[in-house]
Amino acid sequence: EAQVTQNPRYLITVTGKKLTVTCSQNMNHEYMSWYRQDPGLGLRQIYYSMNVEVTDKGDVPEGYKVSRKEKRNFPLILESPSPNQTSLYFCASSLDRGKNIQYFGAGTRLSVL
Amino acid sequence: GENVEQHPSTLSVQEGDSAVIKCTYSDSASNYFPWYKQELGKRPQLIIDIRSNVGEKKDQRIAVTLNKTAKHFSLHITETQPEDSAVYFCAASGNQFYFGTGTSLTVIP
Repeated sequence: EAQVTQNPRYLITVTGKKLTVTCSQNMNHEYMSWYRQDPGLGLRQIYYSMNVEVTDKGDVPEGYKVSRKEKRNFPLILESPSPNQTSLYFCASSLDRGKNIQYFGAGTRLSVL
Repeated sequence: GENVEQHPSTLSVQEGDSAVIKCTYSDSASNYFPWYKQELGKRPQLIIDIRSNVGEKKDQRIAVTLNKTAKHFSLHITETQPEDSAVYFCAASGNQFYFGTGTSLTVIP
């Protein structure tokens, strides 16, 4: 089954404790992306990757890191989480660039205390 | 960068009526315009998309129109049903995706 899998689904952590949210897709997609969703602000792109070893900043990259060492995986890293990073995070992938259907993961709800 | 504005933020319609959601964008380089539906607690799911070389696209009760000159695009849902109730997001894309802030649609039985 074609899918985008992200883990964990829920995470509560404390300020400053490094964390990683994993994202994996099994569709051989080139384009992968991370978004955060906050009430009234819609979805905002954090980082995106157009292929292995190619990553670019989105609209709100501050406080986040990503890597794309393999085509299927695109982890999101918060080196020192802060309360303003409390949000709902979605990973997504598409066949190529920004011109094709994006498939979203189920979401990760993160709370930083 | 791109700026996508979406209106209205909330919309209530009677079952069977039509619903229209409008978006504008600022970057003429944007060339792909998807619409997503997000039900409560679920992930966004694509319902229809349009590329910049097309003016209109229809899929059963859903249609999207694009006016490149005016930089606006719209979602039209006809014969609305209660299961159409959800939040709808428009987006504009070149390499990056920029989403609107969403429209909460309620279809009243």
